[in-house]
Amino acid sequence: AQSVSQHNHHVILSEAASLELGCNYSYGGTVNLFWYVQYPGQHLQLLLKYFSGDPLVKGIKGFEAEFIKSKFSFNLRKPSVQWSDTAEYFCAVNAGGYNKLIFGAGTRLAVHP
Amino acid sequence: ETGVTQSPTHLIKTRGQQVTLRCSSQSGHNTVSWYQQALGQGPQFIFQYYREEENGRGNFPPRFSGLQFPNYSSELNVNALELDDSALYLCASSWGSGETQYFGPGTRLLVL
Repeated sequence: AQSVSQHNHHVILSEAASLELGCNYSYGGTVNLFWYVQYPGQHLQLLLKYFSGDPLVKGIKGFEAEFIKSKFSFNLRKPSVQWSDTAEYFCAVNAGGYNKLIFGAGTRLAVHP
Repeated sequence: ETGVTQSPTHLIKTRGQQVTLRCSSQSGHNTVSWYQQALGQGPQFIFQYYREEENGRGNFPPRFSGLQFPNYSSELNVNALELDDSALYLCASSWGSGETQYFGPGTRLLVL
């Protein structure tokens, strides 16, 4: 069965620190990959997505993610986090033309000023 | 452009009752997907509607059912509610199956 694994459930950083959130998926075929963010009290918002082409994808608010096919990974990065990045981050996969998104369990990020 | 809207925002029901949740898709979108998000977990796919037809279903029992209307809005119905049905129910719309999904704010259901 397809699955998505997010390695860190809780991450605590200070402002200006660098961020990398891990995401691995299990599916051997073509995938579409997403990172969604849920800020406190708000709904899930699309941060960035990868369908094809350049494996380094840039999203909103300075976030980027790199698709490494050989590692089945799609890690999220940001060089310098801000307090406003405090949120829960979800990695999701749409695999093999299937219509459903498979989500990871999420990573809760807290950024301290 | 109007985003995805859901109603109601919160709902309290008792075990055995039935509930209907509603979703209006984003303008221009013809596909609606429903997800259940239990506390501390990622969303789990319930089913998808594309042009008023069910277009895929996750691992949920038949007491979870849905509809999509000609204006592409959708309903999620849950019969014979169980305590474990307590969760945040998310609706997402997209332009076609397999395309990027945009989420609504969700309906938080509590079953007592």
